Amino acid sequence: GQQVQQSPASLVLQEGENAELQCNFSTSLNSMQWFYQRPGGSLVSLFYNPSGTKHSGRLTSTTVIKERRSSLHISSSQTTDSGTYLCALERTNTNKVVFGTGTRLQVLP
Amino acid sequence: EAAVTQSPRNKVTVTGGNVTLSCRQTNSHNYMYWYRQDTGHGLRLIHYSYGAGNLQIGDVPDGYKATRTTQEDFFLLLELASPSQTSLYFCASSDQDTQYFGPGTRLLVL
Repeated sequence: GQQVQQSPASLVLQEGENAELQCNFSTSLNSMQWFYQRPGGSLVSLFYNPSGTKHSGRLTSTTVIKERRSSLHISSSQTTDSGTYLCALERTNTNKVVFGTGTRLQVLP
Repeated sequence: EAAVTQSPRNKVTVTGGNVTLSCRQTNSHNYMYWYRQDTGHGLRLIHYSYGAGNLQIGDVPDGYKATRTTQEDFFLLLELASPSQTSLYFCASSDQDTQYFGPGTRLLVL
């Protein structure tokens, strides 16, 4: 089965609204990362967050290992936040990274 | 800033054709990865390497070979391309924490 599940699959917001994206995983992990994929396709690393909470501007990532989940919070969304957000985990005792299928975010003006 | 480049950026070939995708990183990272991205599947790991001459099998390796000639260069080889290999291919390098991705190569197999 799918080791990494993201929700929601898609989300539409009005500019200024907040978003909470979820990543649930069914396997033990060494690390958790969040990526942003631009509509043109390139991927940008947002957070490397194996546990706890990290902040970067309007973005907050929280990973709770024992609950097997990670979240990405976007506050005061902007149209330039539109794109796909991917979570990825590195499985324990390997260097293999498994990606979720992503949340497609559209922020309307 | 990490730098990973891929070439070509777009490629069209026919079924049975021979394709080589190139990836170069200038970050002195040990780990390099090849992924494919398809609708409904997200990114899936094809092959990866932790140094020159090393090759590890990923999750979807069938139909692909790879070679790491130097620390900087990682190649993905499709010796008999099939339409099922039409996809967006990403290369990445890693310092064991964050993965840094190239811009991607769009491959169409007719």
